[in-house]
Amino acid sequence: DVKVTQSSRYLVKRTGEKVFLECVQDMDHENMFWYRQDPGLGLRLIYFSYDVKMKEKGDIPEGYSVSREKKERFSLILESASTNQTSMYLCASNRVVGNTIYFGEGSWLTVV
Amino acid sequence: SQQGEEDPQALSIQEGENATMNCSYKTSINNLQWYRQNSGRGLVHLILIRSNEREKHSGRLRVTLDTSKKSSSLLITASRAADTASYFCATDAWGAQKLVFGQGTRLTINP
Repeated sequence: DVKVTQSSRYLVKRTGEKVFLECVQDMDHENMFWYRQDPGLGLRLIYFSYDVKMKEKGDIPEGYSVSREKKERFSLILESASTNQTSMYLCASNRVVGNTIYFGEGSWLTVV
Repeated sequence: SQQGEEDPQALSIQEGENATMNCSYKTSINNLQWYRQNSGRGLVHLILIRSNEREKHSGRLRVTLDTSKKSSSLLITASRAADTASYFCATDAWGAQKLVFGQGTRLTINP
């Protein structure tokens, strides 16, 4: 079975903290994505990556950065967490752009 | 920018009835996909329809695509309580390098 694993299911962080959300896929996929999901706003793309050490901004990159040092791992970094970054974060991957995307179970982040 | 827009935003029907959800988009696409999300979980792929296809079936799911109207519909026949979830369409626009998701339809099946 294909698998995208997000390391933390629930996190509570303080304002100003640096936050790392980790994602690992075991399907040897080239493409990996980070989405944010908020009620009434659907899924919004934060960053994506087509290859190791490569990254592209999505629709809402402000306040976020990413790292892809290995093909299977894509990390989302909140340099200084703020309360408006409280949300559900979804990692995903696929082999070919535009094809089926496989999602992780999501990470619920609360910033207090 | 949102590419796909689902309609209705919420739908509540009785078990056994059919559920129809619609998706409209703005630009030419390579393909359109439908995903399902159970409450608090990740999204799961249901079906992909390419721009040169008009209809596709998978079990109790039927998807249609009308590229002239830039719209798609997802029909779930003989609904079950377990079909309760949010359903999202996602489009892969020509020239884009990403899928763009709509805001979803929240489907509730009442037993």
